[in-house]
Amino acid sequence: GAGVSQTPSNKVTEKGKYVELRCDPISGHTALYWYRQSLGQGPEFLIYFQGTGAADDSGLPNDRFFAVRPEGSVSTLKIQRTERGDSAVYLCASSLSGVDGYTFGSGTRLTVV
Amino acid sequence: AQKITQTQPGMFVQEKEAVTLDCTYDTSDQSYGLFWYKQPSSGEMIFLIYQGSYDEQNATEGRYSLNFQKARKSANLVISASQLGDSAMYFCAMREVSGGSYIPTFGRGTSLIVHP
Repeated sequence: GAGVSQTPSNKVTEKGKYVELRCDPISGHTALYWYRQSLGQGPEFLIYFQGTGAADDSGLPNDRFFAVRPEGSVSTLKIQRTERGDSAVYLCASSLSGVDGYTFGSGTRLTVV
Repeated sequence: AQKITQTQPGMFVQEKEAVTLDCTYDTSDQSYGLFWYKQPSSGEMIFLIYQGSYDEQNATEGRYSLNFQKARKSANLVISASQLGDSAMYFCAMREVSGGSYIPTFGRGTSLIVHP
């Protein structure tokens, strides 16, 4: 597609539930990034994919968070046993190779109640 | 230690005036890139300008210019002739290339409000 698409745009879930957030990057972009942005803060790095593999997952806060990119395009961020502290905007960005510019999606606003 | 520091939580500017948003960075890499992004209230991150560490001239993109002072490790964004639509959060980011991991790190942002 023309831009990075993230779905859903908004997600409200109950504490303890499982959620999946989807990112559809620009076609042909091999690098894909997930960030989390809390209110009043800058984006915080979570995980970086180069192709199908997670090149760096050092930003994932704990083992409740997991992300996949099985075919090297669409990525899914999965959060198990959600907690209220997981409430944030989750941003996805893609890049042609990782050394050029980054295009962000509009984000998914996750609210855990 | 913070890799990107934006010391101005909020800035105000009169329409048509110029404004400078500060950014300092910390890296031991020789090769790195510096970015500025704009985030309006809609939430999308919009790329504004890029400066490579080896670029000798300051980057410019329309009304945006980046005042790159390598020795001071600063990369301030200058917006000339501010417009009401410039009101937004502005984030400075750095991408280091050490270890082959190209991951941009963002600052906490500066909120810019443009007054008519």
